Amino acid sequence: NAGVMQNPRHLVRRRGQEARLRCSPMKGHSHVYWYRQLPEEGLKFMVYLQKENIIDESGMPKERFSAEFPKEGPSILRIQQVVRGDSAAYFCASSPQGRREAFFGQGTRLTVV
Amino acid sequence: KQEVTQIPAALSVPEGENLVLNCSFTDSAIYNLQWFRQDPGKGLTSLLLIQSSQREQTSGRLNASLDKSSGRSTLYIAASQPGDSATYLCAAYHSTGNQFYFGTGTSLTVIP
Repeated sequence: NAGVMQNPRHLVRRRGQEARLRCSPMKGHSHVYWYRQLPEEGLKFMVYLQKENIIDESGMPKERFSAEFPKEGPSILRIQQVVRGDSAAYFCASSPQGRREAFFGQGTRLTVV
Repeated sequence: KQEVTQIPAALSVPEGENLVLNCSFTDSAIYNLQWFRQDPGKGLTSLLLIQSSQREQTSGRLNASLDKSSGRSTLYIAASQPGDSATYLCAAYHSTGNQFYFGTGTSLTVIP
């Protein structure tokens, strides 16, 4: 039973480009959470999704950021027109239905140059 | 809004020592509390999960306790080893919320 898979592990983008971060939850998990971690800071909640639904996006910046979790395939966190301040580690966690227990991926480290 | 605090921010101990990491939360209406470790440049590894109805959980040399009424959880590590060196994070899931609220972590160094 593979764990939560995130790819790519490292992503370099120039300012103004788009970044697409992928997260495949553990088998049988239908809940996905995205978090951002800045150096020397804690994990900040971004969005909580279930299959085909955004449940809570209260932590997402209003512009340039979007997330989806389609019926088939991985969850995608999309950042348009990246800026230097978007450089961070982005973590995805999955959770099984009915149980609020987080299993994290290895993260995607985004660097904007 | 749930606030989670971890004290101390950093801890350095000699190998073999028993130690306690602290986690406090402001809202006692939690669904559960989960402890993780994070190695530099890596993801989070789940250590222990305590449901709101439980008082403690044990796994090997680790023991986590939960006192909802006082808003506290502790992670006890027995006979510490250099391989325990990492950052330890606690996270509380509110009973009516949609996210895990994380503390800023305790950075542990175990000196051989």
